Amino acid sequence: QVQLQESGPGLVKPSQTLSLTCTVSGGSISSGSYYWSWIRQPAGKGLEWIGRIYTSGSTNYNPSLKSRVTISVDTSKNQFSLKLSSVTAADTAVYYCARERVATIIYYMDVWGKGTTVTVSS
Amino acid sequence: SSELTQDPAVSVALGQTVRITCQGDSLRSYYASWYQQKPGQAPVLVIYGKNNRPSGIPDRFSGSSSGNTASLTITGAQAEDEADYYCNSRDSSGNHPPYVVFGGGTKLTVL
Repeated sequence: QVQLQESGPGLVKPSQTLSLTCTVSGGSISSGSYYWSWIRQPAGKGLEWIGRIYTSGSTNYNPSLKSRVTISVDTSKNQFSLKLSSVTAADTAVYYCARERVATIIYYMDVWGKGTTVTVSS
Repeated sequence: SSELTQDPAVSVALGQTVRITCQGDSLRSYYASWYQQKPGQAPVLVIYGKNNRPSGIPDRFSGSSSGNTASLTITGAQAEDEADYYCNSRDSSGNHPPYVVFGGGTKLTVL
């Protein structure tokens, strides 16, 4: 059974770069037709999709964050990562990694990490 | 504002049936998927596509779609179903590459 675990600093200073890693266990990140995604959720608010990566390395990003986001994958470590630059307090949120499946007209995340809280503060 | 619109809150009496809706232009062409999120926990997929339940999701959860509206129905709501529910689909632009959008969420209270 595939499991995901986020890791990274819980506190980031304003204007710096937020960096998180998601480690995939119980299966290979390269197997199957899956995308690997990041989603965030500010306290008391809804979910926001940040972006996805395929194991080929192709990426898609939320247009509202595209200029600041980079998602990468390291298949040798069974990990994928998120970098969000020039952060502000508005980027404070719980960050989730998830396995995403796209079946023509269906988009869904069937496996989620537990989430990690990132606070942007000086 | 979100491309997918959900009612902020819905309530249901224990054992009764409740429908949670999600509206958006993209739903005319793409199916919604639904997630249950309890306080302090990650979302859990409960319905995807036309009406597919992942393993372990009770059959009291079902999905349907008509026009620009997708619905999640809980038949015989239980106390443990009290949670926030989110829908998602792709964006309505039709452009490539597609990106994912979520509804604003519906807080379900079981009375």
